[in-house]
Amino acid sequence: EAGVTQSPTHLIKTRGQQATLRCSPISGHTSVYWYQQALGLGLQFLLWYDEGEERNRGNFPPRFSGRQFPNYSSELNVNALELEDSALYLCASRGSGSATDTQYFGPGTRLTVL
Amino acid sequence: QKEVEQNSGPLSVPEGAIASLNCTYSDRGSQSFFWYRQYSGKSPELIMFIYSNGDKEDGRFTAQLNKASQYVSLLIRDSQPSDSATYLCVATTGGFKTIFGAGTRLFVKA
Repeated sequence: EAGVTQSPTHLIKTRGQQATLRCSPISGHTSVYWYQQALGLGLQFLLWYDEGEERNRGNFPPRFSGRQFPNYSSELNVNALELEDSALYLCASRGSGSATDTQYFGPGTRLTVL
Repeated sequence: QKEVEQNSGPLSVPEGAIASLNCTYSDRGSQSFFWYRQYSGKSPELIMFIYSNGDKEDGRFTAQLNKASQYVSLLIRDSQPSDSATYLCVATTGGFKTIFGAGTRLFVKA
């Protein structure tokens, strides 16, 4: 069974640009979570999508947004990039059985803002 | 107060020893608890989950949960240098809320 996939692996942008990160969940999983992990810091919750709807978002400005497609894949968009947006962005997927089921992580996208 | 607290470490143990990683949580509504291992620059990988009070064993790993004390722990027996990583404690509620601790760095000396 294929795991969670993310693309691209690395992304380099300059300040003010927009970044688009993509995530494909494990087959059969309907929930997708996005996290930001700055260097040396813990995971910060960004967004949760389930069944195509945004269910919750963390304490991030509106320039962080995303969506979930009918096939449950998801996209994270970061507008007006700032230097402090440089981080590892992790996507995780979870099945629809229970909100407390395990989240499985993808390999991440390393975003560097110059 | 952080919702899920872990000692940042590093926790240093000799090879073959038992490593004990601890975690406390503040939300009494938390129902499920997970331990993830994260190597530097890599994504977290699930080690164990626990829902009920008591101990749960899986190979060299034992998770312990005490809901009255709001305390979760992970014991690693016969620690190996390959166990050196950051260990993340996670608490989830019946709803959407998933809170990650900041992690404890473990270093196993050969």
